[in-house]
Amino acid sequence: DAEITQSPRHKITETGRQVTLACHQTWNHNNMFWYRQDLGHGLRLIHYSYGVQDTNKGEVSDGYSVSRSNTEDLPLTLESAASSQTSVYFCASSPRDGTDTQYFGPGTRLTVL
Amino acid sequence: SQQGEEDPQALSIQEGENATMNCSYKTSINNLQWYRQNSGRGLVHLILIRSNEREKHSGRLRVTLDTSKKSSSLLITASRAADTASYFCATNVMNRDDKIIFGKGTRLHILP
Repeated sequence: DAEITQSPRHKITETGRQVTLACHQTWNHNNMFWYRQDLGHGLRLIHYSYGVQDTNKGEVSDGYSVSRSNTEDLPLTLESAASSQTSVYFCASSPRDGTDTQYFGPGTRLTVL
Repeated sequence: SQQGEEDPQALSIQEGENATMNCSYKTSINNLQWYRQNSGRGLVHLILIRSNEREKHSGRLRVTLDTSKKSSSLLITASRAADTASYFCATNVMNRDDKIIFGKGTRLHILP
């Protein structure tokens, strides 16, 4: 069965370190998204991609970057982790068919000390 | 500013009762979706309603959309313990491509 996976599921890191969160989907979806979820804020869009070599900034993109070298993967990199980036991160994908239904991964809980 | 906002923020009801959650939004939309999130898990898509539709059903779920009031409601009938979760509405804003904007969610707790 097609799925979307994230790794690691839990990560503890120190301020200033570079961290990369992986997202892999086997739906063959063109669209992929990264969100962060914090209490009181719901889900906020960090970056998104509509296809290979395409990346776009979301509403909270500062301090994050993504790259899309193939259809299946959209890794999220925190260039220099900050305590404000402690959060739960979700990856999602959707087909480019106008329905906009998104399929979510299980999430990565990141703690920056 | 938040495009979609759910109301209430939290809701506790007895098992077997119906649960109603509301979502209001600010800008014209192409469609509106409802998602469920169980504790510690990712979001799961429940139902999508398009701007030209007024009501949709899926099992025990009923969603209505009133574009004149810019609001939607999600009704869960005959609630079960397994319905305990957070529920989010998400809007696809007209002319804003494939992105959807999530509200902050309603936390639903079903009491035994």
